[in-house]
Amino acid sequence: ETGVTQSPTHLIKTRGQQVTLRCSSQSGHNTVSWYQQALGQGPQFIFQYYREEENGRGNFPPRFSGLQFPNYSSELNVNALELDDSALYLCASRGAGGRNEQFFGPGTRLTVL
Amino acid sequence: AQSVTQLDSHVSVSEGTPVLLRCNYSSSYSPSLFWYVQHPNKGLQLLLKYTSAATLVKGINGFEAEFKKSETSFHLTKPSAHMSDAAEYFCVVSGLNAGKSTFGDGTTLTVKP
Repeated sequence: ETGVTQSPTHLIKTRGQQVTLRCSSQSGHNTVSWYQQALGQGPQFIFQYYREEENGRGNFPPRFSGLQFPNYSSELNVNALELDDSALYLCASRGAGGRNEQFFGPGTRLTVL
Repeated sequence: AQSVTQLDSHVSVSEGTPVLLRCNYSSSYSPSLFWYVQHPNKGLQLLLKYTSAATLVKGINGFEAEFKKSETSFHLTKPSAHMSDAAEYFCVVSGLNAGKSTFGDGTTLTVKP
Protein backbone atom coordinates (compact mmCIF):
# COMPACT_ATOMS: atom_id res chain seq x y z
CA GLU A 1 0.00 0.00 0.00
CA THR A 2 1.49 3.34 -1.09
CA GLY A 3 1.12 6.24 1.30
CA VAL A 4 0.41 9.87 0.54
CA THR A 5 3.18 11.52 -1.48
CA GLN A 6 3.78 15.19 -2.21
CA SER A 7 6.01 17.08 -4.60
CA PRO A 8 8.17 19.02 -4.56
CA THR A 9 9.74 18.68 -1.12
CA HIS A 10 10.96 22.26 -1.02
CA LEU A 11 10.22 25.30 -3.14
CA ILE A 12 11.45 28.89 -3.18
CA LYS A 13 9.40 31.58 -4.92
CA THR A 14 9.31 35.35 -4.96
CA ARG A 15 6.42 37.58 -3.99
CA GLY A 16 3.79 37.85 -6.73
CA GLN A 17 4.63 34.57 -8.39
CA GLN A 18 2.34 31.57 -8.73
CA VAL A 19 3.00 28.05 -7.42
CA THR A 20 1.53 24.57 -7.93
CA LEU A 21 1.92 21.83 -5.34
CA ARG A 22 1.05 18.20 -6.05
CA CYS A 23 -0.30 15.32 -4.01
CA SER A 24 -0.94 11.66 -4.70
CA SER A 25 -3.44 10.16 -2.31
CA GLN A 26 -3.17 6.81 -0.63
CA SER A 27 -4.50 3.90 -2.67
CA GLY A 28 -8.29 3.58 -2.34
CA HIS A 29 -8.78 7.07 -0.88
CA ASN A 30 -11.18 9.37 -2.75
CA THR A 31 -11.05 12.46 -0.54
CA VAL A 32 -8.14 14.87 -0.31
CA SER A 33 -7.67 17.82 2.03
CA TRP A 34 -5.00 20.51 2.04
CA TYR A 35 -3.61 22.27 5.10
CA GLN A 36 -1.21 25.16 5.67
CA GLN A 37 1.14 24.88 8.65
CA ALA A 38 2.98 28.08 9.49
CA LEU A 39 6.10 27.82 11.63
CA GLY A 40 5.24 27.04 15.24
CA GLN A 41 1.54 26.62 14.59
CA GLY A 42 -0.92 23.82 13.96
CA PRO A 43 -2.11 23.04 10.45
CA GLN A 44 -4.96 25.21 9.14
CA PHE A 45 -7.61 23.68 6.85
CA ILE A 46 -7.54 25.17 3.33
CA PHE A 47 -10.04 23.03 1.43
CA GLN A 48 -11.19 19.50 0.69
CA TYR A 49 -11.91 17.72 -2.59
CA TYR A 50 -14.22 14.77 -3.06
CA ARG A 51 -14.79 13.18 -6.45
CA GLU A 52 -13.14 16.14 -8.22
CA GLU A 53 -15.38 18.76 -6.56
CA GLU A 54 -14.43 21.20 -3.80
CA ASN A 55 -16.29 20.04 -0.73
CA GLY A 56 -15.57 22.55 1.99
CA ARG A 57 -13.21 25.47 2.39
CA GLY A 58 -11.47 27.13 5.28
CA ASN A 59 -10.73 30.81 5.79
CA PHE A 60 -8.41 31.26 2.80
CA PRO A 61 -8.75 33.77 -0.06
CA PRO A 62 -9.70 32.76 -3.62
CA ARG A 63 -6.10 32.95 -4.80
CA PHE A 64 -5.78 29.55 -3.12
CA SER A 65 -7.37 27.07 -5.52
CA GLY A 66 -7.22 23.38 -6.19
CA LEU A 67 -7.97 20.50 -8.46
CA GLN A 68 -8.63 16.82 -8.00
CA PHE A 69 -8.14 14.40 -10.88
CA PRO A 70 -9.99 11.17 -11.75
CA ASN A 71 -7.21 9.13 -10.13
CA TYR A 72 -7.83 11.18 -6.93
CA SER A 73 -4.48 12.96 -7.07
CA SER A 74 -4.68 16.67 -6.35
CA GLU A 75 -3.05 20.04 -6.90
CA LEU A 76 -2.94 23.16 -4.76
CA ASN A 77 -2.40 26.41 -6.68
CA VAL A 78 -1.54 29.70 -5.06
CA ASN A 79 -1.54 32.90 -7.11
CA ALA A 80 0.03 36.26 -6.29
CA LEU A 81 2.24 34.82 -3.57
CA GLU A 82 2.71 36.85 -0.39
CA LEU A 83 5.44 36.60 2.21
CA ASP A 84 2.93 35.16 4.70
CA ASP A 85 2.30 32.21 2.38
CA SER A 86 5.64 30.79 3.49
CA ALA A 87 4.68 27.58 5.29
CA LEU A 88 4.59 23.79 5.17
CA TYR A 89 1.71 22.66 2.96
CA LEU A 90 0.25 19.30 3.92
CA CYS A 91 -1.96 17.04 1.89
CA ALA A 92 -4.12 14.41 3.56
CA SER A 93 -6.27 11.67 2.09
CA ARG A 94 -8.93 9.43 3.54
CA GLY A 95 -11.37 6.80 2.40
CA ALA A 96 -15.14 6.93 2.18
CA GLY A 97 -16.95 7.56 5.45
CA GLY A 98 -16.99 10.95 7.11
CA ARG A 99 -15.32 9.93 10.34
CA ASN A 100 -12.39 8.07 8.82
CA GLU A 101 -9.03 9.41 9.87
CA GLN A 102 -6.78 11.28 7.48
CA PHE A 103 -3.36 10.10 6.36
CA PHE A 104 -0.88 12.88 5.80
CA GLY A 105 1.91 13.30 3.32
CA PRO A 106 5.33 14.65 4.33
CA GLY A 107 4.50 18.15 3.10
CA THR A 108 5.97 20.75 0.78
CA ARG A 109 8.00 23.52 2.38
CA LEU A 110 7.28 26.77 0.50
CA THR A 111 9.45 29.82 1.06
CA VAL A 112 8.36 33.15 -0.42
CA LEU A 113 11.05 35.82 -0.67
CA ALA B 1 -18.36 25.58 14.58
CA GLN B 2 -15.52 23.72 16.23
CA SER B 3 -12.36 24.60 18.06
CA VAL B 4 -9.65 22.93 20.09
CA THR B 5 -7.39 24.24 22.83
CA GLN B 6 -4.20 22.52 23.87
CA LEU B 7 -3.63 23.77 27.36
CA ASP B 8 0.17 23.44 27.44
CA SER B 9 2.49 24.64 24.69
CA HIS B 10 5.44 22.79 26.25
CA VAL B 11 5.62 19.74 28.50
CA SER B 12 8.86 18.34 29.89
CA VAL B 13 9.11 14.94 31.59
CA SER B 14 11.86 12.57 32.61
CA GLU B 15 12.26 9.26 30.84
CA GLY B 16 10.15 6.59 32.54
CA THR B 17 7.68 9.03 34.10
CA PRO B 18 4.04 9.53 33.02
CA VAL B 19 3.02 11.85 30.21
CA LEU B 20 -0.12 14.02 30.24
CA LEU B 21 -0.96 16.30 27.31
CA ARG B 22 -4.19 18.24 27.79
CA CYS B 23 -6.80 19.08 25.18
CA ASN B 24 -10.21 20.74 25.41
CA TYR B 25 -12.56 20.95 22.46
CA SER B 26 -15.71 22.66 21.31
CA SER B 27 -18.02 21.31 18.63
CA SER B 28 -21.56 21.93 17.44
CA TYR B 29 -21.81 18.30 16.43
CA SER B 30 -20.96 14.98 17.96
CA PRO B 31 -17.22 15.26 17.51
CA SER B 32 -14.55 12.98 16.19
CA LEU B 33 -11.29 13.55 18.02
CA PHE B 34 -7.76 12.61 17.08
CA TRP B 35 -4.24 12.91 18.37
CA TYR B 36 -1.41 13.20 15.85
CA VAL B 37 2.34 13.29 16.45
CA GLN B 38 4.85 15.18 14.31
CA HIS B 39 8.55 14.41 14.59
CA PRO B 40 11.01 16.96 13.18
CA ASN B 41 11.06 16.96 9.40
CA LYS B 42 8.51 14.17 9.26
CA GLY B 43 4.81 14.00 8.45
CA LEU B 44 1.91 13.76 10.84
CA GLN B 45 1.26 10.31 12.24
CA LEU B 46 -2.04 9.27 13.79
CA LEU B 47 -1.71 8.13 17.41
CA LEU B 48 -5.36 7.41 18.15
CA LYS B 49 -8.93 8.43 17.37
CA TYR B 50 -12.32 8.70 19.07
CA THR B 51 -15.41 8.41 16.90
CA SER B 52 -18.31 7.82 19.34
CA ALA B 53 -17.45 4.29 20.40
CA ALA B 54 -15.57 3.49 23.62
CA THR B 55 -14.62 6.60 25.58
CA LEU B 56 -11.20 5.22 26.53
CA VAL B 57 -9.19 4.95 23.37
CA LYS B 58 -5.91 3.06 23.06
CA GLY B 59 -3.42 4.06 20.40
CA ILE B 60 0.01 3.19 19.18
CA ASN B 61 3.23 3.24 21.22
CA GLY B 62 1.41 2.91 24.55
CA PHE B 63 -0.60 6.14 24.29
CA GLU B 64 -4.23 6.39 25.29
CA ALA B 65 -6.85 9.11 25.64
CA GLU B 66 -10.18 9.43 27.40
CA PHE B 67 -13.15 11.28 25.92
CA LYS B 68 -15.02 13.17 28.65
CA LYS B 69 -18.10 14.85 27.23
CA SER B 70 -19.02 16.61 30.49
CA GLU B 71 -15.60 18.25 30.61
CA THR B 72 -15.23 18.60 26.79
CA SER B 73 -11.76 17.12 27.17
CA PHE B 74 -9.66 14.55 25.36
CA HIS B 75 -6.36 14.35 27.25
CA LEU B 76 -3.52 12.16 25.98
CA THR B 77 -1.59 10.00 28.44
CA LYS B 78 1.22 7.48 28.52
CA PRO B 79 2.35 5.62 31.66
CA SER B 80 6.07 5.79 30.95
CA ALA B 81 7.81 8.23 28.61
CA HIS B 82 10.52 7.11 26.24
CA MET B 83 13.17 9.29 24.64
CA SER B 84 11.65 8.59 21.23
CA ASP B 85 8.39 10.23 22.36
CA ALA B 86 9.96 13.68 22.11
CA ALA B 87 7.98 15.43 19.37
CA GLU B 88 5.13 17.85 18.64
CA TYR B 89 1.65 16.58 19.46
CA PHE B 90 -1.58 17.89 17.96
CA CYS B 91 -5.12 17.44 19.20
CA VAL B 92 -7.65 17.55 16.35
CA VAL B 93 -11.44 17.88 16.28
CA SER B 94 -13.83 17.32 13.41
CA GLY B 95 -17.56 16.87 13.01
CA LEU B 96 -19.20 14.65 10.47
CA ASN B 97 -16.37 15.20 8.01
CA ALA B 98 -12.88 14.32 9.22
CA GLY B 99 -11.41 16.02 6.18
CA LYS B 100 -12.39 19.44 7.55
CA SER B 101 -10.46 19.17 10.76
CA THR B 102 -9.43 21.83 13.24
CA PHE B 103 -6.01 21.45 14.82
CA GLY B 104 -4.79 22.77 18.12
CA ASP B 105 -1.62 24.83 18.28
CA GLY B 106 0.39 21.83 19.39
CA THR B 107 2.28 20.73 22.50
CA THR B 108 6.01 20.19 22.38
CA LEU B 109 6.99 17.19 24.48
CA THR B 110 10.56 17.07 25.77
CA VAL B 111 11.84 13.89 27.40
CA LYS B 112 14.89 14.23 29.66
CA PRO B 113 17.23 11.31 30.26
